[in-house]
Amino acid sequence: EPEVTQTPSHQVTQMGQEVILRCVPISNHLYFYWYRQILGQKVEFLVSFYNNEISEKSEIFDDQFSVERPDGSNFTLKIRSTKLEDSAMYFCASGRGGYTFGSGTRLTVV
Amino acid sequence: GQQVMQIPQYQHVQEGEDFTTYCNSSTTLSNIQWYKQRPGGHPVFLIQLVKSGEVKKQKRLTFQFGEAKKNSSLHITATQTTDVGTYFCAGEGFGNEKLTFGTGTRLTIIP
Repeated sequence: EPEVTQTPSHQVTQMGQEVILRCVPISNHLYFYWYRQILGQKVEFLVSFYNNEISEKSEIFDDQFSVERPDGSNFTLKIRSTKLEDSAMYFCASGRGGYTFGSGTRLTVV
Repeated sequence: GQQVMQIPQYQHVQEGEDFTTYCNSSTTLSNIQWYKQRPGGHPVFLIQLVKSGEVKKQKRLTFQFGEAKKNSSLHITATQTTDVGTYFCAGEGFGNEKLTFGTGTRLTIIP
């Protein structure tokens, strides 16, 4: 069964540093998303991406965040100048009418 | 903005008992989806409901979408230990491409 792959599985970073989270969506999917989940809480929408551009973003997705599809397969989330409150599980998803989620990257900002 | 609430937040049931979680949206939805997240895992898609009043079944799971397309429920008959996890509903509005997840119901099973 096709999978969404995320790397790394766990990232620890110093406050103020930049991180890049990577995702390989399912190859024939056109819609891609980033969600995050703070420990024990609900899954929150960050951004959707379609046709090589952002189609929608949440209030959380401010200037600190950016997304890119640098080539035909990868989809990245960059967080500039990380803050303690950015510590969360970040999930990439792809598809429409039922998303396939990756297994996530646990980001810990210290 | 759109809010999606679920009750109960937690449910502990004896193995073999039934379980129901309820989902309410503050706005009318285009569709509602249900996901299951095992402890330490990622959300896994279960089903999508689109039509008003729709009922769908998957083995022991029954999903309903309300007539007003603002609420939904998931009912599990005769729970098993493999049903353990958090069940999230997630609503999609009209003309957008984001899911608003509910607050989730964590199901634990007492063997």
